[in-house]
Amino acid sequence: QVQLVESGGGLVKPGGSLRLSCAASGFTFSDYYMGWIRQAPGKGLEWVSYITESSTYANYADSVKGRFTISRDNAKKSLFLQMNSLRAEDTAVYYCAVLTVSGWSYFFDNWGQGSLVTVAS
Amino acid sequence: QSVLTQPPSVSGAPGQRVTISCTGSNSNIGANYGVHWYQQLPGTAPKLLIYGDNNRPSGVPERFSGSKSGTSASLAITGLQAEDEADYYCQSYDSSLSGSLVFGGGTKLTVL
Repeated sequence: QVQLVESGGGLVKPGGSLRLSCAASGFTFSDYYMGWIRQAPGKGLEWVSYITESSTYANYADSVKGRFTISRDNAKKSLFLQMNSLRAEDTAVYYCAVLTVSGWSYFFDNWGQGSLVTVAS
Repeated sequence: QSVLTQPPSVSGAPGQRVTISCTGSNSNIGANYGVHWYQQLPGTAPKLLIYGDNNRPSGVPERFSGSKSGTSASLAITGLQAEDEADYYCQSYDSSLSGSLVFGGGTKLTVL
């Protein structure tokens, strides 16, 4: 079965950097888009970024554009999110998810358990 | 302020039918992009409930159904059960935001 395991979260000071990782198993990782979604404490879901199967294209929410970079290593079945210039409002649980694209439908059909990122001094 | 608008909360008694609305615009739902629904039980990761407007992934009970009309979509839950108490989110694609993926603000379902 599909398994996604995030790691790399933790406490970081404002202006600092953090790199999240997501280890995938149970499916052909290189065949799928992948994405990151976050959820601030007590708040709703916010899409952060997605990347195509072979890393030819990546897209970002305006709130993180220019600060976050998504990448993947298909050989290692891993997804990454490099987060720079972190702000207090980036504090959230970050979920890694498989993004299925079918026509004009883009949906997340498998999710990891999440990794908490806290930005505070 | 979310691009897709959902009611903050809905409630219903066991066995009843409830619906959750998701209102968008002509750059997302109205442009015929697929609407998808997620269920998030307390303390857990979200789970895909409905995809492509009205399709259920394997394992999702028939009690859950989706529909779409114009710039809005709805999730219906029939035969409400205590274990349905959760947060529900709609999601779509928006062509006006450089191809962004957008979520509704979420709806808390309380089973009375």
